[in-house]
Amino acid sequence: GENVEQHPSTLSVQEGDSAVIKCTYSDSASNYFPWYKQELGKRPQLIIDIRSNVGEKKDQRIAVTLNKTAKHFSLHITETQPEDSAVYFCAAADLGFQKLVFGTGTRLLVSP
Amino acid sequence: KAGVTQTPRYLIKTRGQQVTLSCSPISGHRSVSWYQQTPGQGLQFLFEYFSETQRNKGNFPGRFSGRQFSNSRSEMNVSTLELGDSALYLCASSLYPGYNTDTQYFGPGTRLTVL
Repeated sequence: GENVEQHPSTLSVQEGDSAVIKCTYSDSASNYFPWYKQELGKRPQLIIDIRSNVGEKKDQRIAVTLNKTAKHFSLHITETQPEDSAVYFCAAADLGFQKLVFGTGTRLLVSP
Repeated sequence: KAGVTQTPRYLIKTRGQQVTLSCSPISGHRSVSWYQQTPGQGLQFLFEYFSETQRNKGNFPGRFSGRQFSNSRSEMNVSTLELGDSALYLCASSLYPGYNTDTQYFGPGTRLTVL
């Protein structure tokens, strides 16, 4: 089955810096890659997703890149702000099967 | 549009008991997936329902079961509770399985504590 690895497990940056979180997946059938942000005590919130027919997607300060050949995808956050502090999860799925396989999460801390 | 709702939000049970959790998807969404979140194992897929049928199941024992009703609401049941079942149980809904319609939105979760 699918296995998703996520790095780093913790990431500390200064406000205004960029943050990059990387994930690799094992199943070449996976074709949908969402990223979720989870603040303490709250539900995971979808922040961006990408499907395998595109290599990059951007939404304001957030971007995701996908390399299907290497089976890895990354989340890029620019101009980080303290409110970006949270745990970020990557996931992979085979479209149509609704089974998300999650990475282990990255705790991002943005210091003012 | 109202988001995904889950009831109850908190539950305390003792070992050996059983529990039923409920999930109401976003209006119009027909697929409901369930996940278990623990500090040690992270977010793990339990099962997914679409049109009242379980289409996919994760690697959990048979004590974990679920169902979906004709209005797309879903319930999951855990029988013979064990201490290790203490977790946050999240459900997620999506419009229906398929390209551009499969984005999953999570509910607030039910925090289950087994004593």
